[in-house]
Amino acid sequence: EDQVTQSPEALRLQEGESSSLNCSYTVSGLRGLFWYRQDPGKGPEFLFTLYSAGEEKEKERLKATLTKKESFLHITAPKPEDSATYLCAVVRGSQGNLIFGKGTKLSVKP
Amino acid sequence: DVKVTQSSRYLVKRTGEKVFLECVQDMDHENMFWYRQDPGLGLRLIYFSYDVKMKEKGDIPEGYSVSREKKERFSLILESASTNQTSMYLCASSAPATNEKLFFGSGTQLSVL
Repeated sequence: EDQVTQSPEALRLQEGESSSLNCSYTVSGLRGLFWYRQDPGKGPEFLFTLYSAGEEKEKERLKATLTKKESFLHITAPKPEDSATYLCAVVRGSQGNLIFGKGTKLSVKP
Repeated sequence: DVKVTQSSRYLVKRTGEKVFLECVQDMDHENMFWYRQDPGLGLRLIYFSYDVKMKEKGDIPEGYSVSREKKERFSLILESASTNQTSMYLCASSAPATNEKLFFGSGTQLSVL
């Protein structure tokens, strides 16, 4: 069964304190892994797509990496405006739609 | 700017009412989706559609139906609303390939009393 697990559920950082969020997945034949950012009361906003192990994508203070079993979202020197819930999703093998993890809620304190 | 627009931001309904949630996208996308999001459960797929007049059940279709009469519009229908359908409902669309990114609307927070 296709599955996505994110950890930790919640993460509190001080401004400037770098860290990583984890997304482990089980899917037959990865066709794409997605990272989204969701602010309170809003819909998720697309960040990155990764397609194959070893691939990396960067955007400002965020860097996403991919292995055959998991993906990491590295946050370098975070700022309070990086506070949000970060969602990971993979393309489901049987139907082709996305299956989401439960998310990591990130809080960055000044 | 590309947009997925959901008709209501907040909605309060009574148990047993028929509820319509409307979603419109302006990107000419073939694929459209309805998710619900609950604390501790994450995003769960209710229904999706890969073409006009076409619909497929997601993971939790019970108590819901959908309608896609036009390419840009995808409606979610709660035939007889129940309290356990209180949730945030999110509509999304994407281009035809199944590994394309989703564009989400801002969501409708539905409360069923």
